[in-house]
Amino acid sequence: DIQMTQSPSSLSASGGDRVTITCRASQNISSYLNWYQQKPGKAPKLLIYAASSLQSGVPSRFSGSGSGTDFTLTISSLQPEDFAIYYCQQSYSTPWTFGQGTKVEIK
Amino acid sequence: EVQLVESGGGLVQPGGSLRLSCAASGLTFRFYWMSWVRQAPGKGLEWVANINQDGSGKYYVDSVKGRFTISRDNAKNSMYLQMNSLRAEDTAVYYCARGGRYCSSTSCAAFDIWGQGTMVTVSS
Repeated sequence: DIQMTQSPSSLSASGGDRVTITCRASQNISSYLNWYQQKPGKAPKLLIYAASSLQSGVPSRFSGSGSGTDFTLTISSLQPEDFAIYYCQQSYSTPWTFGQGTKVEIK
Repeated sequence: EVQLVESGGGLVQPGGSLRLSCAASGLTFRFYWMSWVRQAPGKGLEWVANINQDGSGKYYVDSVKGRFTISRDNAKNSMYLQMNSLRAEDTAVYYCARGGRYCSSTSCAAFDIWGQGTMVTVSS
């Protein structure tokens, strides 16, 4: 199985900050990397697919980059509604696996 | 409005069975691969199973193989998860999620639409 490792596991940031979350795959997954946002008690929401494509309706302050084994999710200017848990997920090879999550908290 | 709605969750004893349903509306259900993803209380996300458009291809995470069966009825715009021999570690919120249209047996697009989830609790 492909292991997905996110870092950091949590971070504290202020509104307006630039935030970067990294995700590393245990083997090459090309660009089959997706990012989701989850708020308490809610279903995950797709933000970025295929490593760098912005899902329709998602604000442009979210961006993704990377290929192969190393990937990054960037929030260019953190907004109050962005405080949540973020997960990466590989859809390259079953079983499709998720990272452990990164909790973005208010500083 | 595009929507997925899960139902069928509840409290069941270890070794028992439960059948989850996922009803789709506002989307051309038969065009897409579909999946079940679960989340144990306070934990991360785990993909459980997926099924291709006509139901001929079904894939499972190892921990549920032989116990869970995924199926779909395109005429009813619905997907199902039959869960047998349930264990305490199966306790989770179960989400149905839409995958891509053009997937292989191993790789696929992201989950772009999710249901609200249904809670399954396995406890005596």
